[in-house]
Order: sequence, then structure tokens, then C-alpha cells
Amino acid sequence: GEDVEQSLFLSVREGDSSVINCTYTDSSSTYLYWYKQEPGAGLQLLTYIFSNMDMKQDQRLTVLLNKKDKHLSLRIADTQTGDSAIYFCAESDTGTASKLTFGTGTRLQVTL
Amino acid sequence: DAGVIQSPRHEVTEMGQEVTLRCKPISGHDYLFWYRQTMMRGLELLIYFNNNVPIDDSGMPEDRFSAKMPNASFSTLKIQPSEPRDSAVYFCASSSGRYSNQPQHFGDGTRLSIL
Repeated sequence: GEDVEQSLFLSVREGDSSVINCTYTDSSSTYLYWYKQEPGAGLQLLTYIFSNMDMKQDQRLTVLLNKKDKHLSLRIADTQTGDSAIYFCAESDTGTASKLTFGTGTRLQVTL
Repeated sequence: DAGVIQSPRHEVTEMGQEVTLRCKPISGHDYLFWYRQTMMRGLELLIYFNNNVPIDDSGMPEDRFSAKMPNASFSTLKIQPSEPRDSAVYFCASSSGRYSNQPQHFGDGTRLSIL
């Protein structure tokens, strides 16, 4: 089945850029998503990218997709303490567009 | 606009008791999903519905788990009898369509502890 992997933890200083990485195995992935989970809350959609795109930018967020290597990254510019959370990448494929496969999540810690 | 509403937010009960988790999807969304989140297994899809009909329940762990959607604005996930290994955060999510650019919106979850 599909597999989505992420590193478990990332620590950055406030004001620096954060880069969270994700690898997936399903070559038929159509859309790839980044979700943010704050303590005690559900997952909040941050952004998504279609598989025929290489890059998508949305304010402080930049998503890069390397389809050949099945590698997805989320860059957060000027990271703030409010960005501290768990970040999940997820993928869906063409055949079952309603089903998402989530990664294990990366806990981002922003230090002063 | 109201998001996905789940109740209760927290539930603590003893092993063997019946547990019922509730979800109200966003109005107009015709897909509803139930997930379970644990430290060991991460986020797992248990079951999802389209137009109140269960489409895929392959993630439901065993017969002790059941889910229903009697109408477009309400769904329940029931565990009977409950066991300590069922302790987890259960999320409900809804979306407006089957296409990948119609993302899932999550509720805040129910934190379930089985003693």
C-alpha cells in the first residue's frame, strides 16, 4: 500500500526558515497536502499541490515537489513561535481521491 | 461558518463500557471521514461515507467498532465493548466532493481514555 514518511522532529530559531520534508511511495499520487496540527486541535489544511506542478508559493509557505524522487517539502519563511505545531504531509491518488494517506507528522519547535 | 463539530471533547470510561462518539459535518459536505490518531500508529482512516452511505470501512479495526450516518448532518462512531487499546484521539472530517482539490476539514477530535 501507500506509504508516506517524514522525519519526526525539527527545531529552528525564530526568524529562520524551516524546511519539512516528506517522501511518498505511490507513483499515482494526484494531490499532495500539508496539514498543521496545533495541540488539542484537529488538522488544519495549509496548502496543497497538484502532481504536475513543481512549486507552489502562498505567502510564507513554499511547497516543492520532486515527482521523480517522490519528495515533497514545505518551507516556512521567517518562522514564528506560532508556527510551532505538528506538520503532516498527505497524498491521495486518482482512483480514490477521497482517501488520504498521512505521514507520521513532523513536530516543529521554534525557539527564541 | 461552523466547522466540523465533534462531541464529547473528552471521554473517560471503564473497559467494557459502550462508547459513542458524535460528529456534525460542515453543512453541504457530502463526504464524512472517521480517523483515529495514536502515538504508535499515527493517523489512520477508519471509515468514510458518501451521501450517508459507507464507502470504505476497511480501516475499522474489528467488529467492536461500528459507524453510522443516519442523515447528512450527523454521524456516530460506536465502540462496544471498549478496551484500553482503543484509547486514542478520534477525528471526524468532512469534504464537499471526491476531487482532491476539495480538501477535508477536521473537527477538534474526541480524546478517548479507556481505563
